[in-house]
Amino acid sequence: KQEVTQIPAALSVPEGENLVLNCSFTDSAIYNLQWFRQDPGKGLTSLLLIQSSQREQTSGRLNASLDKSSGRSTLYIAASQPGDSATYLCAVVPNTGNQFYFGTGTSLTVIP
Amino acid sequence: NAGVTQTPKFQVLKTGQSMTLQCAQDMNHEYMSWYRQDPGMGLRLIHYSVGAGITDQGEVPNGYNVSRSTTEDFPLRLLSAAPSQTSVYFCASSYSGTHIGTDTQYFGPGTRLTVL
Repeated sequence: KQEVTQIPAALSVPEGENLVLNCSFTDSAIYNLQWFRQDPGKGLTSLLLIQSSQREQTSGRLNASLDKSSGRSTLYIAASQPGDSATYLCAVVPNTGNQFYFGTGTSLTVIP
Repeated sequence: NAGVTQTPKFQVLKTGQSMTLQCAQDMNHEYMSWYRQDPGMGLRLIHYSVGAGITDQGEVPNGYNVSRSTTEDFPLRLLSAAPSQTSVYFCASSYSGTHIGTDTQYFGPGTRLTVL
């Protein structure tokens, strides 16, 4: 069974800092990986989708990379802002089957 | 588009009661799913559907039933509520039922359920 781990569980940084969130998965036979954002009391919003054939995806200040062979993905946030404060989750879809496997998330606080 | 909608937002049940959590989407998505989110456990898949009339079990299906009679609606039924089912429930959908990896997943706002 696919296991997805996100470390650290919580992170607090001053505004303006660049930061990296980590996601690791145990089975490299994945179809894609997605990064989501969850605000308190809300549902999840998809940030970036990386197909297994891709190495990275970018959207504004966000850049996600994927290294399938090592079972790792990183989400890079440039010039962090207080509005970036949220929980960030990664999820993988295996090559076979029709479900996401989610990590437990990293809770990010950006201090003004 | 309203996106993915869920009702109710909050619900309190007593042990043994039954209820239905509603989920609807207006994006003509084939794939719909139900997750529960518990502290320290992440999101876990309960049931999913790849199209009207087709459902399948996820990781934690016990105690829950689903049906998909229309493309738009995917209700989740709790048959006999237990305190272990206290959780936040999310419905999600995506366009393709062929392989969910090809499309963005859209999530509803969630239903917070407490079973006493």
